[in-house]
Amino acid sequence: EDQVTQSPEALRLQEGESSSLNCSYTVSGLRGLFWYRQDPGKGPEFLFTLYSAGEEKEKERLKATLTKKESFLHITAPKPEDSATYLCAELNRYNTDKLIFGTGTRLQVFP
Amino acid sequence: NAGVTQTPKFQVLKTGQSMTLQCAQDMNHEYMSWYRQDPGMGLRLIHYSVGAGITDQGEVPNGYNVSRSTTEDFPLRLLSAAPSQTSVYFCASSYEGQGYGYTFGSGTRLTVV
Repeated sequence: EDQVTQSPEALRLQEGESSSLNCSYTVSGLRGLFWYRQDPGKGPEFLFTLYSAGEEKEKERLKATLTKKESFLHITAPKPEDSATYLCAELNRYNTDKLIFGTGTRLQVFP
Repeated sequence: NAGVTQTPKFQVLKTGQSMTLQCAQDMNHEYMSWYRQDPGMGLRLIHYSVGAGITDQGEVPNGYNVSRSTTEDFPLRLLSAAPSQTSVYFCASSYEGQGYGYTFGSGTRLTVV
């Protein structure tokens, strides 16, 4: 069964302390890997789509990368406003109506 | 402001009651979806629509109905509420298709007692 696993579940960083979040997927025939940010009490906000291994995308302090088995969300010199839950999701080429979400990594950045 | 509007934001139902969660978007997106979010389980697809008049089931459709009479609106109906339907419900829309650049609403927090 297709599965998306995110780690760690929670991450506490000091402002400026760079780190990475992991998203492992098990589907064969990946059509797309997506990253979203979710603030408390709000809906997820779209960040990136990655389509193939080796692809990278950047937005401000965030960079998403993709390998054949996992995706990383690198956070460089984070600020307190980067605190949120980060979700990844995969779309299967053979079952395109089923977007599988991970349970997220809750990131807290302290000044 | 352009986006996805969900109403109500909060709702408490008694077991067996029915209700409709409203979702409207003003971005002329063809693709719309309903998800539920439960602690430790991630977002799960309930129903989706690829355009007016076309709907299909997602991962957890039981107990829910949808219709899509216009491009803008995609209401979710709970037929007979059960405590297992206590959750946060999100509506999302996209120009391209599921997952691609989804715009999510702010959610409806539903409690069934």
